[in-house]
Amino acid sequence: KQEVTQIPAALSVPEGENLVLNCSFTDSAIYNLQWFRQDPGKGLTSLLLIQSSQREQTSGRLNASLDKSSGRSTLYIAASQPGDSATYLCAVIGTGANNLFFGTGTRLTVIP
Amino acid sequence: ETGVTQSPTHLIKTRGQQVTLRCSSQSGHNTVSWYQQALGQGPQFIFQYYREEENGRGNFPPRFSGLQFPNYSSELNVNALELDDSALYLCASSPRGLAGGRTGELFFGEGSRLTVL
Repeated sequence: KQEVTQIPAALSVPEGENLVLNCSFTDSAIYNLQWFRQDPGKGLTSLLLIQSSQREQTSGRLNASLDKSSGRSTLYIAASQPGDSATYLCAVIGTGANNLFFGTGTRLTVIP
Repeated sequence: ETGVTQSPTHLIKTRGQQVTLRCSSQSGHNTVSWYQQALGQGPQFIFQYYREEENGRGNFPPRFSGLQFPNYSSELNVNALELDDSALYLCASSPRGLAGGRTGELFFGEGSRLTVL
């Protein structure tokens, strides 16, 4: 069964700092990997989608990489801002499945 | 283009009652999935509907059931509510080709927060 782990569980950084969030998954047979943002008590906002054949995707200050063979993905946030404070979740779809397997998230706090 | 909408946003039920949650998928999306997110946890897959039929199910008991309608909207029904059913219930939609290809990017609604007392 696919298991997704996110480290660290919580992270606090000063405004302006660059940071990296980590995601690992146990089964490398994935269809795609998706990064989400979740504000407290709210739904999920899709940030980036990486297909299994891709190595990275970029959107604005966000860059996500995928190393399928090692079962790892990173989300890089440049020049962090207080508005980036949220929980960040990564999720994968296995090649034999119809659903996303989620990690438990990294709660990010950016201090002004 | 409207996004995924869910109703109600919050509700409180007592143990043993039944609840129905509703979801309207994003325009052009014909696949709907439901997830349960307990406090401090990642979402867990309940089931998926495609063309009004269940198309995959997670590790949830039969008292969790669903429907998809011809306009691709969906309902999640939970019978005999238990305290552990208290959670945020998320609906996600995705586009799927006429050939029944794989799901791609999922788009989530704001969720329905269920509290069972």
